[in-house]
Amino acid sequence: DVKVTQSSRYLVKRTGEKVFLECVQDMDHENMFWYRQDPGLGLRLIYFSYDVKMKEKGDIPEGYSVSREKKERFSLILESASTNQTSMYLCASSGPRELFFGEGSRLTVL
Amino acid sequence: GNSVTQMEGPVTLSEEAFLTINCTYTATGYPSLFWYVQYPGEGLQLLLKATKADDKGSNKGFEATYRKETTSFHLEKGSVQVSDSAVYFCALSDQGFQKLVFGTGTRLLVSP
Repeated sequence: DVKVTQSSRYLVKRTGEKVFLECVQDMDHENMFWYRQDPGLGLRLIYFSYDVKMKEKGDIPEGYSVSREKKERFSLILESASTNQTSMYLCASSGPRELFFGEGSRLTVL
Repeated sequence: GNSVTQMEGPVTLSEEAFLTINCTYTATGYPSLFWYVQYPGEGLQLLLKATKADDKGSNKGFEATYRKETTSFHLEKGSVQVSDSAVYFCALSDQGFQKLVFGTGTRLLVSP
């Protein structure tokens, strides 16, 4: 069974903290994505990666960075968390036939 | 740029009612169109897709037809069940399964 695993389902952080969201896929996919999901706004693409050590900005990259050191792992980094980054974060990876999502990480920044 | 517009929810129905969730899109060229479903507490799952005009995608009793003339991809089901309660997202891509553009989502609530 295909799997996209996000390391934390729920996180609570304080303003200014550095936050790491980890995502691992076991399908040997080259493409990986980070989205954020907010009510009334749907899913918005933050960053994506087509290969190891490669990254491209999505529609809302400000305040985020990413790391892809290994093919199976794609990390989202909030260098200095802010309250407007409170959201649900969804990782995904894609092959030729489908885009697979993880279960999401709900981040609250106080 | 590409965009997707979905009807706002929530859509509230009784079991066995007919469902339509409207989706229209704006895109250059000939995108592929998708419906994804998100059950409570879970990530998104692909429900169905269509890759060219007049294609009909179907799965689990749900259907949607790619209408190029009206730039629409409305989701329908003849008889909904309580277990269909979820959030439904319409999406498009002009690059296969890379860089999908999603609508805002429509919550469906089905009561017994």
